[in-house]
This record gives sequence, C-alpha cells and structure tokens, in this order.
Amino acid sequence: DTGVSQNPRHKITKRGQNVTFRCDPISEHNRLYWYRQTLGQGPEFLTYFQNEAQLEKSRLLSDRFSAERPKGSFSTLEIQRTEQGDSAMYLCASSRPGQTGFFGPGTRLTVL
Amino acid sequence: AQSVSQHNHHVILSEAASLELGCNYSYGGTVNLFWYVQYPGQHLQLLLKYFSGDPLVKGIKGFEAEFIKSKFSFNLRKPSVQWSDTAEYFCAVNALSGNTPLVFGKGTRLSVIA
Repeated sequence: DTGVSQNPRHKITKRGQNVTFRCDPISEHNRLYWYRQTLGQGPEFLTYFQNEAQLEKSRLLSDRFSAERPKGSFSTLEIQRTEQGDSAMYLCASSRPGQTGFFGPGTRLTVL
Repeated sequence: AQSVSQHNHHVILSEAASLELGCNYSYGGTVNLFWYVQYPGQHLQLLLKYFSGDPLVKGIKGFEAEFIKSKFSFNLRKPSVQWSDTAEYFCAVNALSGNTPLVFGKGTRLSVIA
C-alpha cells in the first residue's frame, strides 16, 4: 500500500493523559499536513511541514498540541493533558508542493 | 478570513434523481477549488478539482462541478445518483499557488435511497 498511513487508527485515553499519533506520508511527498475533524464539521487545518520544517503552527489548538517531522519523513502529533474536547478524528495528508493532497484514514481519539 | 459555505447539511435523494450541492467560498485572492468525498468508513478522496481553464470540471464517477467566479461558487452536480453515492461531500479551497492548506466547508451528507 503506497498511500498515507496513520497509526493508531483508534485511541481511547483518559482525561489528562498524553497521546501521540503517527503519520507516514506517501514516499517523496515533502509536504505533510495535519487536520482535525469533529462530528458534523469539515476538516480543520492544524499545522503543516515542508520536509522537516514546520511552516505553520499558529493554528494548533493550544500549547498542549505539538507536531514534529524530525527527518522529513514520518510525522507525529502529540496532545498533552488531553481533555474531552480533544475527542475527534485526526487526519494527515501529504503532497508535493502545489499539488493535491492525499489523505490518510485518520486516527480517531476518544477522551474519557 | 477564508471560509467555505456548504448550503445543505443533509440531502436525501432517490436513485436516478439529479444532484446539485452548493458551495460558496470567501478567499482573498485567486483560488483552487476541490470537492472531496468520504464514503462510510473510508478516508477522504478527491472527487474533482479546478485550478484554471474550463470552469466546468469533470471528475470521477460521473460528477462535475462548475466554477462561477462572479458568484464565488463551485457547485457539484451529477445527473443521476446511485445508492453507492451515499457519502459525505466536502468542498475545499486553497490559494492558487497550491502552497497553502485547504480550507474545508462543513460538508453535506448525501443519502441515496432505493
């Protein structure tokens, strides 16, 4: 499978715990995006990378959210001290610059 | 601020009926426009896109969309829907350069009944 992959697909955690999600983009796609999708809404942009550089992070929802792409390949999104309002689907997409993005299947987070 | 409005939250159609889903955008500049589809239990997939040229764009599975610049609209159409078109449809926009993230509408849920 040469598409965008995300792990885990589902994560259930207790409020206050930290969680980390991983995204593996399509090989040779140097752009990688993170979005969040809540019920009844479209995907909401969080942050994106070109190679290992994080080009936009002002849309991260709070300072509890952080993302990395250390070697310009896979990326991780971490949420610290999770809250019930963080429950959502977290989507990753990758692309070449100026081209259409391909989305992964998402990680569904449930915070109890 | 950039935004995308999808007028219909939930549309219910019978098979063979014609479909039109509305999309209007607000963006400070020239744009690319997209329609994505999300089938039940599956991830977002690109249905069609408009970058430039002919404002009538044809996509997969018989879908098409028309860009009307004066109306800031990019409505999705299909002349005859099938049960398998049941899905959520999202309109999205980004800057013409393609180097900005997508801004999505809230989506329209389409239910096609036999």
